[in-house]
Amino acid sequence: ETGVTQTPRHLVMGMTNKKSLKCEQHLGHNAMYWYKQSAKKPLELMFVYNFKEQTENNSVPSRFSPECPNSSHLFLHLHTLQPEDSALYLCASSQEGPSSYNEQFFGPGTRLTVL
Amino acid sequence: GQNIDQPTEMTATEGAIVQINCTYQTSGFNGLFWYQQHAGEAPTFLSYNVLDGLEEKGRFSSFLSRSKGYSYLLLKELQMKDSASYLCAVGDSNYQLIWGAGTKLIIKP
Repeated sequence: ETGVTQTPRHLVMGMTNKKSLKCEQHLGHNAMYWYKQSAKKPLELMFVYNFKEQTENNSVPSRFSPECPNSSHLFLHLHTLQPEDSALYLCASSQEGPSSYNEQFFGPGTRLTVL
Repeated sequence: GQNIDQPTEMTATEGAIVQINCTYQTSGFNGLFWYQQHAGEAPTFLSYNVLDGLEEKGRFSSFLSRSKGYSYLLLKELQMKDSASYLCAVGDSNYQLIWGAGTKLIIKP
C-alpha cells in the first residue's frame, strides 16, 4: 500500500460514454499528478495540481478533463474517448509540486479500455 | 529534445547480479530516480541520486555520473520477486520527471 488509492481498477467504455476516474491520497501531500502508461512507452505526464491549482497540462486533448476539489482528491473526467486512449492511468502524489526532491507515490492505476 | 534510454528487457538467474543501465539527455538535471513496478501494480520508489557516485540500499545500489548522463541500478542476490519493470526518471530544469520506457527484468530459477 502506497497511501494512494484509485477507483475503478478496471474500466471498459464505449466512445460515446462519459466516465470518471478517482484518486485519493492519504499521505498529506500537496501535489497530485495524472499519468498515462501505454505498453512499452514512457510514462506520459498529463496533469499536475499543486495546492489544488493546476500547474501543468501537457497538451492533453480536451476529452480528458481533470478536477481537484482538494489536496487529497483528484478526478479525471472522460468523454468521447478514442480507442488509442486505452491505457493504464496512474495517479501519483508528492509532498510538494515539482521541486528539488520530487519522490512521487503512485496508486495502482485504472486499466482503461475504449471500445 | 529530452530522452531517457534503457534496455527494453533483461534476463538474469536467481542468485546472480544484474545491472540495468539508463542514459539520459535532458534540459537540466535535478536528480535521477529508480522505481520498481510489478505487473499490474503501482510503481514504487527504489532510489534517488543527485550527486555522482554510488548509493547502496540493501541488495540494490544505484550509480550516477552526471558528466556522462548515465546511471545504473545494480541488483544483487536476485530473487524471483525481483521480476518486475524498472523505471528510470530524471528531474529536468523545471523539476518535472522525464521517464524512460522501463526495463522488464525476468528472473529465471
